Order: sequence, then structure tokens, then C-alpha cells
Amino acid sequence: DAGVTQSPTHLIKTRGQHVTLRCSPISGHKSVSWYQQVLGQGPQFIFQYYEKEERGRGNFPDRFSARQFPNYSSELNVNALLLGDSALYLCASSLDGAADTQYFGPGTRLTVL
Amino acid sequence: QQPVQSPQAVILREGEDAVINCSSSKALYSVHWYRQKHGEAPVFLMILLKGGEQKGHEKISASFNEKKQQSSLYLTASQLSYSGTYFCGTALKTSYDKVIFGPGTSLSVIP
Repeated sequence: DAGVTQSPTHLIKTRGQHVTLRCSPISGHKSVSWYQQVLGQGPQFIFQYYEKEERGRGNFPDRFSARQFPNYSSELNVNALLLGDSALYLCASSLDGAADTQYFGPGTRLTVL
Repeated sequence: QQPVQSPQAVILREGEDAVINCSSSKALYSVHWYRQKHGEAPVFLMILLKGGEQKGHEKISASFNEKKQQSSLYLTASQLSYSGTYFCGTALKTSYDKVIFGPGTSLSVIP
């Protein structure tokens, strides 16, 4: 079975632009979580979705939004990009929820210039 | 709310043992352990759901002390492949759908 996939792999944007990151969970998994990882730090929780509903939200500004589609894939949107948004964005999928075993995708490396 | 991990970094020689600790100030629902190698995504090691639970994975095992809100990861007879950064993630009883990761413990195994 295919693991969690994310696209694109790398992305370069300029300040003020917006970006959309995509994630496809493992087949059969209904929950997707998004994390931001800055170099040298642990993944920071952004959102968790289960069955297309938002179940949890981390301490991120409203510029960050996400949604989950009927096929359980998910998008993370970030508006008005700032230099500080440069990071590795990880998507994790699980069967029933974030408290279940989460499997991470390879991530999207976002660089904001 | 972020769990505390200790030590921050550790260097081992092949065959030596190590313990990585993770603690929270709030009541825990679950503890998750991951290993991340440079430039790669975190890889799941194990999840602990009950106080006192111990789980094993090859020569890596973990325990969960619910009363102390603590978990420990035990690496025995370390191998070069164990090198990486180890993260614990915790979900609180009040918000078990939100896993918060600690700052990580860098582990280097040298020949």
C-alpha cells in the first residue's frame, strides 16, 4: 500500500503570496493532521481533521486554513506569507484520530523569500 | 503544554544503552514516540495508551507512568542505525485529538 503522499516536494514563494499544500492519506485512513517543523525543532501542531471536520487547531494565525475532502485528502492553505513561514510542512494520517498511530508523509519544504 | 524531553542530546558508542525521558505537567491520554533522521519525515516507533503500559520494538522499548505524567524510551545495545532525533508526542486527556511534540533528543551512535 502507498504511504502518505504530499505535493509539492519543494516550493519557493515570496512574501505576501499564498500557498496550497496537498496531502493524500494512507488508504482507509480518515484522519489527517498538519504540522509545521522548523529546523532544529519538533513538529508544531497546526490542524487535525477527521471525517471532513476540524477536530483540533494549534496556535497559528488565521492566515492558516485547511480542509479535508470526501476522499479524505487534505489541503493546507497559507495566505499573506511571511519569512517566518519557511519550514517543512508535514502531513500525518491515522485511522481514527490524532491519538491513534500517525504516519507522516515526506513533507513539503516551503521557502519564503 | 509542550512536553519536556531530556536529555537534549546524547552520544553513544555502539552497544551502549540510552534512556530518553518525556514529561508533561498535565494528565496524559497517550504518548507517541518517533525517530527522525536528517532530511526525512518522522518514523513511528510506538504509542502508549495506558498508565504503566510498556511496549517493545526490537531493542527499543518504552514505558508510561500515568501518575507522574512521564514516559521513557529505552534503547538497548544501540546500533549505528539508531542515530537520529527522537521526539515524544503527547495527547492530553482534555484534548486527546491534539498531539503536541517535544523539542526532541538528538542521539548519535558512533563506532
